[in-house]
Amino acid sequence: DAKTTQPTSMDCAEGRAANLPCNHSTISGNEYVYWYRQIHSQGPQYIIHGLKNNETNEMASLIITEDRKSSTLILPHATLRDTAVYYCIVRTVIQGAQKLVFGQGTRLTINP
Amino acid sequence: EAQVTQNPRYLITVTGKKLTVTCSQNMNHEYMSWYRQDPGLGLRQIYYSMNVEVTDKGDVPEGYKVSRKEKRNFPLILESPSPNQTSLYFCASSWDRYNTEAFFGQGTRLTVV
Repeated sequence: DAKTTQPTSMDCAEGRAANLPCNHSTISGNEYVYWYRQIHSQGPQYIIHGLKNNETNEMASLIITEDRKSSTLILPHATLRDTAVYYCIVRTVIQGAQKLVFGQGTRLTINP
Repeated sequence: EAQVTQNPRYLITVTGKKLTVTCSQNMNHEYMSWYRQDPGLGLRQIYYSMNVEVTDKGDVPEGYKVSRKEKRNFPLILESPSPNQTSLYFCASSWDRYNTEAFFGQGTRLTVV
C-alpha cells in the first residue's frame, strides 16, 4: 500500500484558506489520491479525489505535484464547521476490490 | 436523501451475548463494507461485500460475521462479543468496487462489558 504522511495538526483562521499537505512518495502511476474528513466522531465524508490533474469541486481544491509525490487540499474560505480530521488516502485495489486505508490524518482547527 | 443508516447508534452489551448491527443504504450501491475505529489505530476494514452473496474478509475479521442477502442491507454480526470489540463501527457503501467515493453511516458506538 502506498503510505501517506500528514501533519498531526494544523490551525487556520476563519475565512482564510486552509492548505493541508500530504506526502505520498511511493504512489504508483495508477493510484488515485482521495481526501476524506471526519467531524468529531461522525462517519467520514468524501471531499475530493484526483489522479494527476488538479481538481476542484464545491467543497475544496486538490493540487497534485507533477511528480505525484505530494498533494495539497485547499479549503478556500474555512469556516468553523470545517474543524475536523482530514485524511489523505491513496486508493489501493486489492484482489479486484478498492480499499480505503486510513492513516492518522490531520486534525484541522478553525479559529474564530 | 442518499444515506447509509446504521442501527443502533449506541449499544452496551455483555460478553458473549450475540448482537447484530444493521446497515442499510438507499443508493443501490453494489459495494459495502464495515470498519472499526479505535484510538491510535485509525479506521480498519473488517469485512466487505462486492455484491449480493459476495463477501470477503478485510484486515480485522476475527470475531465478526456478515451477510449480504439483499443489495441494500449489510448487517454485522458479533456471535460472542468480547471486550476487545468495544469500538466505534462504521458501515460504508459505494457505487461499485472501483469507486472509492464512499458514503459512511453515522456510526455505532459499541461497549462490551
